[in-house]
Amino acid sequence: TQLLEQSPQFLSIQEGENLTVYCNSSSVFSSLQWYRQEPGEGPVLLVTVVTGGEVKKLKRLTFQFGDARKDSSLHITAAQPGDTGLYLCAGRMDSSYKLIFGSGTRLLVRP
Amino acid sequence: KAGVTQTPRYLIKTRGQQVTLSCSPISGHRSVSWYQQTPGQGLQFLFEYFSETQRNKGNFPGRFSGRQFSNSRSEMNVSTLELGDSALYLCASSILALPNTGELFFGEGSRLTVL
Repeated sequence: TQLLEQSPQFLSIQEGENLTVYCNSSSVFSSLQWYRQEPGEGPVLLVTVVTGGEVKKLKRLTFQFGDARKDSSLHITAAQPGDTGLYLCAGRMDSSYKLIFGSGTRLLVRP
Repeated sequence: KAGVTQTPRYLIKTRGQQVTLSCSPISGHRSVSWYQQTPGQGLQFLFEYFSETQRNKGNFPGRFSGRQFSNSRSEMNVSTLELGDSALYLCASSILALPNTGELFFGEGSRLTVL
């Protein structure tokens, strides 16, 4: 059982559509990060959120950390083919060295 | 500046053999972490080294080991390979030791296939 569950696992959408990816847990995290991984490459950090209820925007991407710091969401507006990739959430519990990764959401944006 | 460099990028081994993977972190980064990525389990933490000392270890058997050199370069070794060890092994570096909320910079990975 994954400590961080991501949904959906796969998403195939048309260019211009909006989408939301969810990252859920029953545990509390002191911080949560979102990474994007493209084929043949390592994950690249998109954002870090540390405060419950925090919202961060990165161009067309909006990240939210749940009030209880147990969940997070990533919303993409007007998706583009360049957004295609594997999106990973990763959380760290208080005083924990371990960065726990979610199962990932594989996104395909069709032109 | 140069990113995290992992070698080799691809390798094929047979069961029972051992393998050594290498990671050169970004210049100035003293922390190196290793992760195993498989389709079924996702990204799993193996261990972290900081200033030549293993500071943290994940839940992997003793066949998985590593070390860090004085120049911060790191190697990981897997002995007595099993089919289930087939995976993408990712190395990540950061300036600070874990835990911190800073960014992990990942290499492109070493893809190991065990036959």
